[in-house]
Amino acid sequence: HITLKESGPTLVRPTQTLTLTCTFSGFSLNTRGMGVGWIRQTPGKALEWLTLIYWDDDKRYRSSLENRLTITKDTSRNQVVLTMTNMDPVDTATYYCVHSSYASGKYFDFWGQGTLVSVST
Amino acid sequence: DIVMTQSPLSLPVTPGEPASISCRSSQSLLHANGYTYLEWYLQKPGQSPQLLIYLGSERASGVPDRFSGSGSGTDFTLKISRVEADDVGLYYCMQARQTPPTFGQGTKLEIK
Repeated sequence: HITLKESGPTLVRPTQTLTLTCTFSGFSLNTRGMGVGWIRQTPGKALEWLTLIYWDDDKRYRSSLENRLTITKDTSRNQVVLTMTNMDPVDTATYYCVHSSYASGKYFDFWGQGTLVSVST
Repeated sequence: DIVMTQSPLSLPVTPGEPASISCRSSQSLLHANGYTYLEWYLQKPGQSPQLLIYLGSERASGVPDRFSGSGSGTDFTLKISRVEADDVGLYYCMQARQTPPTFGQGTKLEIK
């Protein structure tokens, strides 16, 4: 039974760095063909993929945000961490941690509950 | 980036009636390996999105057979054979053929 849960601040100030942690269970990120990523949903309900880290530590980033995003994994703690620098009010969104079984053709088959992050002074 | 366009954006449906959502991509989603990387998600009110269909027509685990996906190349359809009250929410198509994965705008299904 795969579960993921996001944790981190609910409010950040403009220009600050956001750090979100995804703690997961029910699988190992050492398993070939799996990955964990982040997707955000704007207040207007648009979904935007941000980044994905693969079982072999390969990483992919959204090109428009690549200079602001970092994704890392700690397989011993079953965690994936997202950092996003220089936060702006337009980054206000619900951030979801997602599991990927990309090798089976299922890109985002499990989602966390999401965490709402507001960017404001 | 591949642009995904859904229609309609709002879909009122009477329970027991069928429903259909269209999704078009700006480029073919057919990979050289023969697979088509198109997925459908449902976000019920107050919940996270959940995977319904992957590889264009494969139902995810636990998804009722009332839901079916079809299409090829750049044109895809999600069909619900008989809508139930529990089917309300936002439906999104998503392409995974190229990075970045991109989503359609979402279609809001509501019960008449």
